[in-house]
Amino acid sequence: DVKVTQSSRYLVKRTGEKVFLECVQDMDHENMFWYRQDPGLGLRLIYFSYDVKMKEKGDIPEGYSVSREKKERFSLILESASTNQTSMYLCASREGASSYEQYFGPGTRLTVT
Amino acid sequence: QQQVKQSPQSLIVQKGGISIINCAYENTAFDYFPWYQQFPGKGPALLIAIRPDVSEKKEGRFTISFNKSAKQFSLHIMDSQPGDSATYFCAASETYSGGGADGLTFGKGTHLIIQP
Repeated sequence: DVKVTQSSRYLVKRTGEKVFLECVQDMDHENMFWYRQDPGLGLRLIYFSYDVKMKEKGDIPEGYSVSREKKERFSLILESASTNQTSMYLCASREGASSYEQYFGPGTRLTVT
Repeated sequence: QQQVKQSPQSLIVQKGGISIINCAYENTAFDYFPWYQQFPGKGPALLIAIRPDVSEKKEGRFTISFNKSAKQFSLHIMDSQPGDSATYFCAASETYSGGGADGLTFGKGTHLIIQP
């Protein structure tokens, strides 16, 4: 079974803090994704990565950056957290661009106060 | 611009009934249409998916109907059970000519409750 793990289930940070959300997958997948999920808005793509050190902006990249130094790990960075970034953050992985199914982690609920 | 519109936002169905959730898309380049199921406290999990070369796909009690000309697709859950109570998301993505595929564009979700 594919396993996608996220470093924290719940996180509380203060406005202006730098926040790191970590995601690890154990199936040697090439592609990884970060989404945020908000009530009534569904899931929205923040960034994705085709391969190590490669990244592409999604639909809502503003205020976020990402890092992928190793194939199994994809980090989402909030350089200066703001209250409007309070959300559920979901990481996903996919075997490769020619495959379609994305496997999601359990999510990190981030609260910025 | 919302590229995938999902309805209804919430749905209550009696046990044994048929649950129907609808989605409409705008981007004619989309060529992969999955449905994801999410239980509270869990990440979404793929339920069933369809490509536009077929009009219907069935897996157990779950069926996707796809209408390419209308740019619509729907999820039907037959003999709905209380264990089906969850949030359901439709999604879409496109495959690029070079073989790469983009991230998924999701609908806003449907909160489904199956009453015993």
